[in-house]
Amino acid sequence: EAQVTQNPRYLITVTGKKLTVTCSQNMNHEYMSWYRQDPGLGLRQIYYSMNVEVTDKGDVPEGYKVSRKEKRNFPLILESPSPNQTSLYFCASSGTPKTYEQYFGPGTRLTVT
Amino acid sequence: GQSLEQPSEVTAVEGAIVQINCTYQTSGFYGLSWYQQHDGGAPTFLSYNGLDGLEETGRFSSFLSRSDSYGYLLLQELQMKDSASYFCAVFNNNDMRFGAGTRLTVKP
Repeated sequence: EAQVTQNPRYLITVTGKKLTVTCSQNMNHEYMSWYRQDPGLGLRQIYYSMNVEVTDKGDVPEGYKVSRKEKRNFPLILESPSPNQTSLYFCASSGTPKTYEQYFGPGTRLTVT
Repeated sequence: GQSLEQPSEVTAVEGAIVQINCTYQTSGFYGLSWYQQHDGGAPTFLSYNGLDGLEETGRFSSFLSRSDSYGYLLLQELQMKDSASYFCAVFNNNDMRFGAGTRLTVKP
């Protein structure tokens, strides 16, 4: 089954404790992206990757890191999480040329206390 | 700056037609997409307009006017299961920008 998977689905952590949210897709998509969703703000892009070893900042990259060492994986790293990073996070992927048709993972609800 | 504007809420009755508008200000515009998100779920792709005009997919249609920086999503023969949030999104210069979303409530 074609899908995007994220882990963990739920995470409660404390300020400053480094964490990684994994994202994997099995559709051989070139484009991958991370979003955060907050009430009233819609989806905001954090980082995106056009292909392996190619990443770029989205709208709200501060406090986040990503890497794209393999085509299928695109982990999101919070080196020192803060309470304002409490949010619902989605990973998405898409293939060329239909890069606009993104497939989303199930989401990761993160709470930072 | 870059922005997308869409109404925050829309209510309609089963069987009716509803139109959700989206206006945008962005650079390097390639096209306008629409996504649906049910409560507790992930966004799912509905449609894309790369050129001016109407695209039809079953009960859903989407329209784009590049000259007016405007598009809309038209939902016909509304069903209860169409109650969800709908997002317009612009793909430009390799990044995606989403509107804040329109919450559609379909009443019996």
